[in-house]
Amino acid sequence: NAGVTQTPKFRVLKTGQSMTLLCAQDMNHEYMYWYRQDPGMGLRLIHYSVGEGTTAKGEVPDGYNVSRLKKQNFLLGLESAAPSQTSVYFCASSYGTSNDEQFFGPGTRLTVL
Amino acid sequence: KNQVEQSPQSLIILEGKNCTLQCNYTVSPFSNLRWYKQDTGRGPVSLTIMTFSENTKSNGRYTATLDADTKQSSLHITASQLSDSASYICVVTPGGSYIPTFGRGTSLIVHP
Repeated sequence: NAGVTQTPKFRVLKTGQSMTLLCAQDMNHEYMYWYRQDPGMGLRLIHYSVGEGTTAKGEVPDGYNVSRLKKQNFLLGLESAAPSQTSVYFCASSYGTSNDEQFFGPGTRLTVL
Repeated sequence: KNQVEQSPQSLIILEGKNCTLQCNYTVSPFSNLRWYKQDTGRGPVSLTIMTFSENTKSNGRYTATLDADTKQSSLHITASQLSDSASYICVVTPGGSYIPTFGRGTSLIVHP
């Protein structure tokens, strides 16, 4: 099993450009999450999904959109990138109960110039 | 507001020594507390999970404790190894929720 994979691993954007980050999991998990991690700060939840076709806002959703068309995939979109969105983005998945471990992907390092 | 505070922010120790990392939380109601290890450039990986009724749990050289009354947890690392160099993150999940609150982490460096 590959676990949780993320593409791309690195990306540099110019302000105003758009892009989509892809997260895929092969563990048949119901729940999927997108986080951002900035220096000196804890992981912050952007959006999450509790099942195929459903999404919800997390702590810092502004400037991002998500879609979960297939159970195994969770896409994070930036419509008009800003320098404040320079960060490392992590995707995670879990079975769904509050005691379940979240399995994280390797991260995507995004720089917005 | 639910918060998770970790201390120290960073720690440097010599290989073979023991160390203890602290986590204080205000999350309520409480469901569980996890410690994650995050190697540089990688995603976090779970070390232990503790629920309300558990006081101590071990995973190899890692031992986590929980005092639900004082809302404190610690992670003790015994006989440290170079591979223990990483960030250790305390994560608390509220009861009735699947959205955890993350601490900022403790950066541990183990020197030979």
